[in-house]
Amino acid sequence: GAGVSQSPRYKVAKRGQDVALRCDPISGHVSLFWYQQALGQGPEFLTYFQNEAQLDKSGLPSDRFFAERPEGSVSTLKIQRTQQEDSAVYLCASSFEGHGYTFGSGTRLTVV
Amino acid sequence: GENVEQHPSTLSVQEGDSAVIKCTYSDSASNYFPWYKQELGKRPQLIIDIRSNVGEKKDQRIAVTLNKTAKHFSLHITETQPEDSAVYFCAASPNAGKSTFGDGTTLTVKP
Repeated sequence: GAGVSQSPRYKVAKRGQDVALRCDPISGHVSLFWYQQALGQGPEFLTYFQNEAQLDKSGLPSDRFFAERPEGSVSTLKIQRTQQEDSAVYLCASSFEGHGYTFGSGTRLTVV
Repeated sequence: GENVEQHPSTLSVQEGDSAVIKCTYSDSASNYFPWYKQELGKRPQLIIDIRSNVGEKKDQRIAVTLNKTAKHFSLHITETQPEDSAVYFCAASPNAGKSTFGDGTTLTVKP
C-alpha cells in the first residue's frame, strides 16, 4: 500500500482482556518497528523485525507482550491480560534500509 | 543503551522568527539522526535527517547540524509560520535501525 496501515484505530479493553494490534507496512520495507507512545512523551521502542526475524525485543515491558511477523510483511502485537498501565498509543513504523521511519496512524489502546 | 535528551520542552516564537531545538546523545555508535514532526492527534512524520559523516544539511527553511565530537545535534527552522506549530522529536540510531527518541519539543508559532 501507499503507507503504513494500522488497525484498529481505537481499542477499549477491559482489564484482563487480550488484545491484538495489526500493522501492514509499506510493501518492500524490510524493517518493521513497534513503539509505545504515552501522552506527552516520545515514542518508546518495543521491538524490531527485519523480514520475519525479530532482531530485538528488548523494549517489550513484560512477557504479556508478544509480537510476530510470520511472513515478513504484516505484523501483530499481542498484549495478554491487559492492565491500565498498558494504555497508550501503539505506533508501527517501517523503513527501507538506511532510511527514516514511515509511521502508521497508531492504535490508541485504553484499558478500563 | 542510548539516551537522548532534548531541549527545550516548549518553545514559543513569533511568526517569521527562527526556532532552534537541541539534542544530545550518549552512544558513540549512533550514526543516524532523524527529526520528526507530530501534529496533534497525528502520526510522527520524518522532516529531515543527517548521518554522522555530514556536519550540516539543509532543506528549504529547515536545517540540521551535527557535532559528533560533542554528541549533539540541532534543528533550525527559519522564517517560522503558524503551520510549523507541532511537537518535534529528535532521534538517534545505529545504522538507521532501532531509534531512541527525545521527549519532544512543543513549538508554538504565534501569528
